[in-house]
Amino acid sequence: KNQVEQSPQSLIILEGKNCTLQCNYTVSPFSNLRWYKQDTGRGPVSLTIMTFSENTKSNGRYTATLDADTKQSSLHITASQLSDSASYICVVSDRGSTLGRLYFGRGTQLTVWP
Amino acid sequence: EADIYQTPRYLVIGTGKKITLECSQTMGHDKMYWYQQDPGMELHLIHYSYGVNSTEKGDLSSESTVSRIRTEHFPLTLESARPSHTSQYLCASSEDYEQYFGPGTRLTVT
Repeated sequence: KNQVEQSPQSLIILEGKNCTLQCNYTVSPFSNLRWYKQDTGRGPVSLTIMTFSENTKSNGRYTATLDADTKQSSLHITASQLSDSASYICVVSDRGSTLGRLYFGRGTQLTVWP
Repeated sequence: EADIYQTPRYLVIGTGKKITLECSQTMGHDKMYWYQQDPGMELHLIHYSYGVNSTEKGDLSSESTVSRIRTEHFPLTLESARPSHTSQYLCASSEDYEQYFGPGTRLTVT
């Protein structure tokens, strides 16, 4: 069964600290992995997209890694800010259909305290 | 921020009412999607479209229907709302790998 599991479910950190969020998937075949940021009451916004051949991609203070062999990804947030408080969603796409079926994780709820 | 819009943003409605959630995008994307999301849960695909006059049901069974008469417009309709329809509904469009989401409609059926 194709699944995407994220950990931790929730995380609280102090402003300025770093954190790492995890994503494990069983989706096969694999096309790409995305990380989204979803603010409360808003739609998800894309942070990074990585294909099979990429193992690191950065977007400002966000750095995503991908290990396609172990089917694991991480999102590292550096020097956290209050505005980083949001849900971070890992999404994996297969290449088995024209649509590129997306499998969503339940997200990690990050809270940054001052 | 992506040019994809949803109205209304919040809707509280009584059981049995007919409602239409609007979604429009100005990016000219052929592919559009509707997702349902409950708090703390993953997004579930309920409808998608490859282009004008093309609509398909997604993975999650839904009593809603959609239409795609124009490229930029992808409305979702519930003929008779029920409390079980209470959820957040997210519209999205895509080009290549990138998928752009609207702000969502929070629907509450009383």
